[in-house]
Amino acid sequence: GAGVSQTPSNKVTEKGKYVELRCDPISGHTALYWYRQSLGQGPEFLIYFQGTGAADDSGLPNDRFFAVRPEGSVSTLKIQRTERGDSAVYLCASSFDGGSNEQYFGPGTRLTVT
Amino acid sequence: AQSVSQHNHHVILSEAASLELGCNYSYGGTVNLFWYVQYPGQHLQLLLKYFSGDPLVKGIKGFEAEFIKSKFSFNLRKPSVQWSDTAEYFCAVEPGTASKLTFGTGTRLQVTL
Repeated sequence: GAGVSQTPSNKVTEKGKYVELRCDPISGHTALYWYRQSLGQGPEFLIYFQGTGAADDSGLPNDRFFAVRPEGSVSTLKIQRTERGDSAVYLCASSFDGGSNEQYFGPGTRLTVT
Repeated sequence: AQSVSQHNHHVILSEAASLELGCNYSYGGTVNLFWYVQYPGQHLQLLLKYFSGDPLVKGIKGFEAEFIKSKFSFNLRKPSVQWSDTAEYFCAVEPGTASKLTFGTGTRLQVTL
């Protein structure tokens, strides 16, 4: 079956602009995760959804970052007033039911803020 | 907060050499442990995982890892590497009470012919 998909694959934006990054999880997966991977680092947790609600948003770095999952499937990560330090690969993962189930990762969106 | 250390940042091996990549974590409670691999141009995929039971776990492509609770370690091993094992390897920890992974900084493995 289809894996996790993310669009766009690359996004270049100017400092101060608003961006939206989209994640399409594996069908039937109720848990969805966003991670951010900076150059030379491992992925860093941002937020976890169980269904439509954010079960854990402790990794969001500040209030410029927000994510939604209105129908419990597709999720959008929104970044306001982008800064150069936001440049990274944003990864989405989904799992069957959260908990200890395996997380399946998408290919990521490479965000570059100029 | 938990943390994960991968001490080897870049490893170069010849084909058929044995591999051991170190992973140590800091967390006092029950954990689930993972090794993920990222081949060039591909996305992260799971190599193996430990939740409970036998501390020696076997994964795909001949990889195995051993959980040593007293050392807070989960080292990855393979007896004989292949050129196709060239990739970046990430160790990750998930607290038993939370659904989120904490990753190490990764180890880049380069296998030469």
